[in-house]
Amino acid sequence: DVKVTQSSRYLVKRTGEKVFLECVQDMDHENMFWYRQDPGLGLRLIYFSYDVKMKEKGDIPEGYSVSREKKERFSLILESASTNQTSMYLCAEGEFGQPQHFGDGTRLSIL
Amino acid sequence: GQNIDQPTEMTATEGAIVQINCTYQTSGFNGLFWYQQHAGEAPTFLSYNVLDGLEEKGRFSSFLSRSKGYSYLLLKELQMKDSASYLCAVRDEGYSTLTFGKGTMLLVSP
Repeated sequence: DVKVTQSSRYLVKRTGEKVFLECVQDMDHENMFWYRQDPGLGLRLIYFSYDVKMKEKGDIPEGYSVSREKKERFSLILESASTNQTSMYLCAEGEFGQPQHFGDGTRLSIL
Repeated sequence: GQNIDQPTEMTATEGAIVQINCTYQTSGFNGLFWYQQHAGEAPTFLSYNVLDGLEEKGRFSSFLSRSKGYSYLLLKELQMKDSASYLCAVRDEGYSTLTFGKGTMLLVSP
């Protein structure tokens, strides 16, 4: 079974902090994705990566960056957290042509 | 760009059949996915269509018409545990990214 592990289920941070969300997959797949999910807006793609050290902007990259130093790990970085980044963050992985599999999500609150 | 529409909410009775529709207008198309998401949990993959027609998987079936930009998810013999949000997602032709609809919240009542 595919396993995607996100480092925290719940996280509370303060405005202006630098926040790291970590995601690890155990399938040695190339593609990894970061989404945020908000009520009434659905899942929206922030960034994705199709190989180590490669990254591509998704639909809403502003205020975020990512890091993919190793194939199994894809990190989402909030450079200076703001209250409008309070959301559920979901990491996913998937091979080309295959379904994406999601982690359990991190519910992030920015105070 | 991609525009994906699905109803916001649906209700149905245990044991019944329900059809959740999804329409899309996209600049590229390389498959349509359905996911199920229970409250507070991650989305889980249900079905995938890339060619026109019906794909059946147990109590769940999914249909695609590419010419009409239309898909539906059919759930038979509804159970209480089927109460969840159902997400329609279209894959583009390039990097294999998905664009999701806003989801349909299905409530199954006794």
